[in-house]
Amino acid sequence: GQQVMQIPQYQHVQEGEDFTTYCNSSTTLSNIQWYKQRPGGHPVFLIQLVKSGEVKKQKRLTFQFGEAKKNSSLHITATQTTDVGTYFCAGPTGNQFYFGTGTSLTVIP
Amino acid sequence: NAGVTQTPKFQVLKTGQSMTLQCAQDMNHNSMYWYRQDPGMGLRLIYYSASEGTTDKGEVPNGYNVSRLNKREFSLRLESAAPSQTSVYFCASSEAGRTNTIYFGEGSWLTVV
Repeated sequence: GQQVMQIPQYQHVQEGEDFTTYCNSSTTLSNIQWYKQRPGGHPVFLIQLVKSGEVKKQKRLTFQFGEAKKNSSLHITATQTTDVGTYFCAGPTGNQFYFGTGTSLTVIP
Repeated sequence: NAGVTQTPKFQVLKTGQSMTLQCAQDMNHNSMYWYRQDPGMGLRLIYYSASEGTTDKGEVPNGYNVSRLNKREFSLRLESAAPSQTSVYFCASSEAGRTNTIYFGEGSWLTVV
């Protein structure tokens, strides 16, 4: 079955440093979605990428979908304490969405 | 507009007890899901329902049953709880189709002792 892996599992950064999480699928994806989960909260949709090589930005967040549509990345520039949480990628197989293992981001003030 | 509502929020069970987690969505979505979240394991799909009247197994269905009661409601049942089922459970819903956003409930924290 499909596997969606994310690295790193944990990341601690000083406030103001950049952060990147990587998502890799064992199969080609039709699209990929990114979610953020604050501590104690539930996952919330951030963005969806559909096209090969697509790059989308949301303020300090940059999302990229690989050319082969098997990998994706989320880059945060100049992290803030509000960026704390776990970031998940998710890719569809049939009617199901499989989530990556997540990257937990801690931002040290 | 409540979105996805799940109950209970917290529950402690003894090994062997049964319980049902309830979930309802008011967004008229066709697809509904149950995920469990464990440290280091991410979100794992237990069961999903693509439409009213249909259910399918996900990655980790053993020990669980589900019922899609109607378009709004999708319940998850633990017939004989085990400590390995201690987890946070999330119900979610989306429009049918691969490109649609998944909306999550606030989660149910279940401890089996």
